[in-house]
Amino acid sequence: AQTVTQSQPEMSVQEAETVTLSCTYDTSENNYYLFWYKQPPSRQMILVIRQEAYKQQNATENRFSVNFQKAAKSFSLKISDSQLGDTAMYFCAFMSGGGTSYGKLTFGQGTILTVHP
Amino acid sequence: AAGVIQSPRHLIKEKRETATLKCYPIPRHDTVYWYQQGPGQDPQFLISFYEKMQSDKGSIPDRFSAQQFSDYHSELNMSSLELGDSALYFCASRGQGVNYGYTFGSGTRLTVV
Repeated sequence: AQTVTQSQPEMSVQEAETVTLSCTYDTSENNYYLFWYKQPPSRQMILVIRQEAYKQQNATENRFSVNFQKAAKSFSLKISDSQLGDTAMYFCAFMSGGGTSYGKLTFGQGTILTVHP
Repeated sequence: AAGVIQSPRHLIKEKRETATLKCYPIPRHDTVYWYQQGPGQDPQFLISFYEKMQSDKGSIPDRFSAQQFSDYHSELNMSSLELGDSALYFCASRGQGVNYGYTFGSGTRLTVV
């Protein structure tokens, strides 16, 4: 079974600064997908960024980028130019690339990010 | 663009009662997932359906059942409710062959009193 670990329960950053959220995972699979989801106080789950394990290039989406280290099974999220609206719970998630568990997301424990003005 | 619709948004039930949660996926999405998120917890996978058949099952109690109908909407039925069932229940849908992460509904907040 896959496990996802987020070791930072809470993080804080000043507006316009950069912050990095950590995530590690454990799997014996070679084909899988990794995601970061944002859950603001509204509790809506919003996809922030995704990474296919077979791609070596790190994914980027505007101010959001990842550092994907497949050998180390690490998948950190970097938020640049932090904005007040980035304040939320952030979940790292793993999805198997095949088999009966294909499509099922396994989430980490979450990191609460607070952006201060 | 159409999103995943969940109803009701909020539900209050007493212990031992029954609750039914509904999920309407994005049009042409054929796979539906249900997750349970307890207070301060990460979402936990309950069950999924593909083309109206159960495709995977997680930590779903025997008191819960679910199905996907011919129009692809899904219902999660919860019986003999317990206080510990109080949680946010998410539904998500995914189109065939889509691996970029699926779309979540806004969730149903169930409170058992």
